[in-house]
Amino acid sequence: NAGVTQTPKFQVLKTGQSMTLQCAQDMNHEYMSWYRQDPGMGLRLIHYSVGAGITDQGEVPNGYNVSRSTTEDFPLRLLSAAPSQTSVYFCASSYGTSGRNTQYFGPGTRLTVL
Amino acid sequence: GEDVEQSLFLSVREGDSSVINCTYTDSSSTYLYWYKQEPGAGLQLLTYIFSNMDMKQDQRLTVLLNKKDKHLSLRIADTQTGDSAIYFCAVLSGTYKYIFGTGTRLKVLA
Repeated sequence: NAGVTQTPKFQVLKTGQSMTLQCAQDMNHEYMSWYRQDPGMGLRLIHYSVGAGITDQGEVPNGYNVSRSTTEDFPLRLLSAAPSQTSVYFCASSYGTSGRNTQYFGPGTRLTVL
Repeated sequence: GEDVEQSLFLSVREGDSSVINCTYTDSSSTYLYWYKQEPGAGLQLLTYIFSNMDMKQDQRLTVLLNKKDKHLSLRIADTQTGDSAIYFCAVLSGTYKYIFGTGTRLKVLA
């Protein structure tokens, strides 16, 4: 198993540009989520999905869109990037939605918006 | 909203015990977690404790939970240089939302 993969690893955008951060898992996990990590603020939940076709907002959803058309993929879209979206983004997945299911994290995407 | 707080830094000598502390606000949190993040990597689950437990031990790791004070701690026995990393406390708030602390950077001195 490749686990949770994220692409790209690094990205630089200009203000106003759009892009999609890719996340895929090959473990047949139901639950997938996106976090951003900022210095001194820990990880904050952006969006999550409990299965194909089902998504919901987390703590900081503004400026981000998600969709879940397959079990494997959970892309995160920035429609019009802003400097405040400079961050490290992590995707995570777990087998089920029970708290005892281990969340597996991807290696992260470091995004800089100029 | 719900909050999880941790101190930012901890420095210990190799071979000593490390204790990383965390406080949280959501009294209904059912699962509480400790994650480790090494430089340039994602988070890795170390251990978790269910809210009806006071303590959980897993090899060198001991988790203590004080529900009355909403306090969670992680003790690492015989700390090694390979334990140097950022440690995150997290709680499951509601059914699907995980709330993470700011992380504690542990530095182990040889």
